[in-house]
Amino acid sequence: DAGITQSPRHKVTETGTPVTLRCHQTENHRYMYWYRQDPGHGLRLIHYSYGVKDTDKGEVSDGYSVSRSKTEDFLLTLESATSSQTSVYFCAISDSFLVADGSYEQYFGPGTRLTVT
Amino acid sequence: AQSVTQLDSQVPVFEEAPVELRCNYSSSVSVYLFWYVQYPNQGLQLLLKYLSGSTLVKGINGFEAEFNKSQTSFHLRKPSVHISDTAEYFCAVIPIFGNEKLTFGTGTRLTIIP
Repeated sequence: DAGITQSPRHKVTETGTPVTLRCHQTENHRYMYWYRQDPGHGLRLIHYSYGVKDTDKGEVSDGYSVSRSKTEDFLLTLESATSSQTSVYFCAISDSFLVADGSYEQYFGPGTRLTVT
Repeated sequence: AQSVTQLDSQVPVFEEAPVELRCNYSSSVSVYLFWYVQYPNQGLQLLLKYLSGSTLVKGINGFEAEFNKSQTSFHLRKPSVHISDTAEYFCAVIPIFGNEKLTFGTGTRLTIIP
């Protein structure tokens, strides 16, 4: 298994509070991703990072921010949590970004279940 | 942009019976295709991928998939399922060239009936 950990694994928080989820990798992969998984929607990309301090938005980035100060850590922050952000959050990593080199694969962490009440 | 359709949200199958999970995609450019499996309360694990070459791809746990470019499909099959195959299966695509991201289908929950 790829060395990816997520913390916390479960969290319950109240509407309006800030929340930070952490993804930590030991693979030294350059690219890191945050997804959310919701029934009927599959996985949707929130933000991704292509290097330290280099990040970009995915398809569902509203209400989320990210930071990456070290290769191994990618943080996802909900500045003011809402009930619509109740979801399971997955971190993923990949070593290549240009798919044409034929080795592209994303490795996923175990997920964080977040409940906003 | 790409899209992935998994028409079957749930598929119940008797143990030792064959199964096919359907995946169709839409893309104006050439893509690579993936199947991921998610066991209960776990992250996603790569089952198999099609990058090039033979259109029949074999993966882990006895699964295989066939890429059909004319029908834009990448259906997943297993000749005989086991209880341990109970999981959710996701099809995903990514353009070969460029820096776009993986696009996932909505998933198919496979339930094995003893």
